[in-house]
Amino acid sequence: DAGVTQSPTHLIKTRGQQVTLRCSPISGHKSVSWYQQVLGQGPQFIFQYYEKEERGRGNFPDRFSARQFPNYSSELNVNALLLGDSALYLCASSLTTDSGNEQFFGPGTRLTVL
Amino acid sequence: GQQVMQIPQYQHVQEGEDFTTYCNSSTTLSNIQWYKQRPGGHPVFLIQLVKSGEVKKQKRLTFQFGEAKKNSSLHITATQTTDVGTYFCAGYTGRRALTFGSGTRLQVQP
Repeated sequence: DAGVTQSPTHLIKTRGQQVTLRCSPISGHKSVSWYQQVLGQGPQFIFQYYEKEERGRGNFPDRFSARQFPNYSSELNVNALLLGDSALYLCASSLTTDSGNEQFFGPGTRLTVL
Repeated sequence: GQQVMQIPQYQHVQEGEDFTTYCNSSTTLSNIQWYKQRPGGHPVFLIQLVKSGEVKKQKRLTFQFGEAKKNSSLHITATQTTDVGTYFCAGYTGRRALTFGSGTRLQVQP
């Protein structure tokens, strides 16, 4: 079975630009969560989506937005990029939003903002 | 907000030595999960603990959840080079946001 897939794998942008990251969950998983992982730190929760609705949001500015599509894939958008947005962006899928569910992570998108 | 701290940040051991990482939360957790991230990789789920005082074992790995459900530990017996990576604990406080600890990076010298 295919795992969580993310695209692109790497991305280089300049300050002020906008970026869209994509994620396809494991087949049958209806929940997708996004995390930001800065080098040397643990992943930080950004969003959780379930059945196309936002179910949770972390402490990130409004420049960050996301959506989930009918096929449960998801996009993360970041506007007006800052240098500090440089990080590994991880997508994780799970069966439901139940806190007992294991999170299956994708390989991530490495975003560099110059 | 909830904070999850891990110590040590980094540990370098000789192959065959034991290793322990400790996780402490500022708030009571409904459950705790442990993940391993290999260098250049993504976090991979290891285990979940739910009950107060729970202890679970996976081969050489022993996981423990504290009685107050605010702390946890991961102990590896007789480390191997395949154990290299960063170990994260992550907890829910009952809300849907999974809060990760800062991680402990393990280096194993052959």
